[in-house]
Amino acid sequence: NAGVTQTPKFRILKIGQSMTLQCTQDMNHNYMYWYRQDPGMGLKLIYYSVGAGITDKGEVPNGYNVSRSTTEDFPLRLELAAPSQTSVYFCASSYLADYEQYFGPGTRLTVT
Amino acid sequence: AQRVTQPEKLLSVFKGAPVELKCNYSYSGSPELFWYVQYSRQRLQLLLRHISRESIKGFTADLNKGETSFHLKKPFAQEEDSAMYYCASRVNTGFQKLVFGTGTRLLVSP
Repeated sequence: NAGVTQTPKFRILKIGQSMTLQCTQDMNHNYMYWYRQDPGMGLKLIYYSVGAGITDKGEVPNGYNVSRSTTEDFPLRLELAAPSQTSVYFCASSYLADYEQYFGPGTRLTVT
Repeated sequence: AQRVTQPEKLLSVFKGAPVELKCNYSYSGSPELFWYVQYSRQRLQLLLRHISRESIKGFTADLNKGETSFHLKKPFAQEEDSAMYYCASRVNTGFQKLVFGTGTRLLVSP
């Protein structure tokens, strides 16, 4: 089991560019999550999904979009990147809402 | 709204010393509390949760509802305990999202 994998590990974007952060899990988990972690701060929930075809906003969804076409994949799309989106992005998954969340290794994104 | 506070950014101790990482939460209901750990170059992982009432790697944490605290303790720190520790809470109303504290870096010196 690879668990939760994320690509890329690092990325530098120019202001206004777009990109997709990939997240895949091979544990057949129903729930998937995207968090961002700004320097010196805790993780904040961007979007989550309770199953294929179902997504919902978290605390800080502005500037992002997600989709969940399969159980395994939960990509996060950044449109019109802004410096405020410079952060480390973590994907996580869990079998159900009250089960342990398993985290990916993170993607460090810089927008300049 | 839920809030989790970890007042210390850095806690530095010597090997063999006791460790207490502080965590306070603000919620009037009955949240579920967790400690997550991130060792160097590893991913964030669950260390323990209060409902389990277990000791993991020598760490324990007791939920004190009167003080709204969930401090993480270990009687004798080891060098391999050096890591970032995050306290988190989850409220069982609506979507059960996790709310994280800002984290405490524990540095155990030989």
